Amino acid sequence: SQTIHQWPATLVQPVGSPLSLECTVEGTSNPNLYWYRQAAGRGLQLLFYSVGIGQISSEVPQNLSASRPQDRQFILSSKKLLLSDSGFYLCAWSEAGIGMNTEAFFGQGTRLTVV
Amino acid sequence: AQSVTQLGSHVSVSEGALVLLRCNYSSSVPPYLFWYVQYPNQGLQLLLKYTSAATLVKGINGFEAEFKKSETSFHLTKPSAHMSDAAEYFCAVSSGTYKYIFGTGTRLKVLA
Repeated sequence: SQTIHQWPATLVQPVGSPLSLECTVEGTSNPNLYWYRQAAGRGLQLLFYSVGIGQISSEVPQNLSASRPQDRQFILSSKKLLLSDSGFYLCAWSEAGIGMNTEAFFGQGTRLTVV
Repeated sequence: AQSVTQLGSHVSVSEGALVLLRCNYSSSVPPYLFWYVQYPNQGLQLLLKYTSAATLVKGINGFEAEFKKSETSFHLTKPSAHMSDAAEYFCAVSSGTYKYIFGTGTRLKVLA
């Protein structure tokens, strides 16, 4: 069966420090991968999605970047964190190539607090 | 472009009462629709999904939703609320472009 791992679960970082959040998927090949950010009262905002290695689409201009160095690995990064980067970050994956009637599967999330 | 509107950011019901969480969508193509549940500090778990096979969709934990094209709605219901249903619920739409667009969520409170 497929599983998704996301870490760390919580993170407190000072303003101006770098960020690296990692997500890996097991049990599937060539998944679509996603990074969402959840802020209170604002639902889930799609930040990045990837349909293949090295293929990254950015949805919202921001202080963050994403990379997909391997088929089932998705990394969210920042060179210098801002206070506004605080939030709950969720990684997700979905099956590729068979239409979007399949659901997205989510990791357990990372609570990022920038201080 | 697709979008989802969830009416009511907070809903309170008594234990045993009907749960009704509203979702309206906008899509230029036939949509795929989803309801997810999120417990505090956790990821999202799929409750149910509409993929055009049947307009009334049954999901886990006794939840169901009805797709109404004429009303562009996909409301989530449960006949009898349980304390364990207290969580945040998200409606989402997809139309085959690799993207899932989520609503802003409805936080359900169940009163004893």
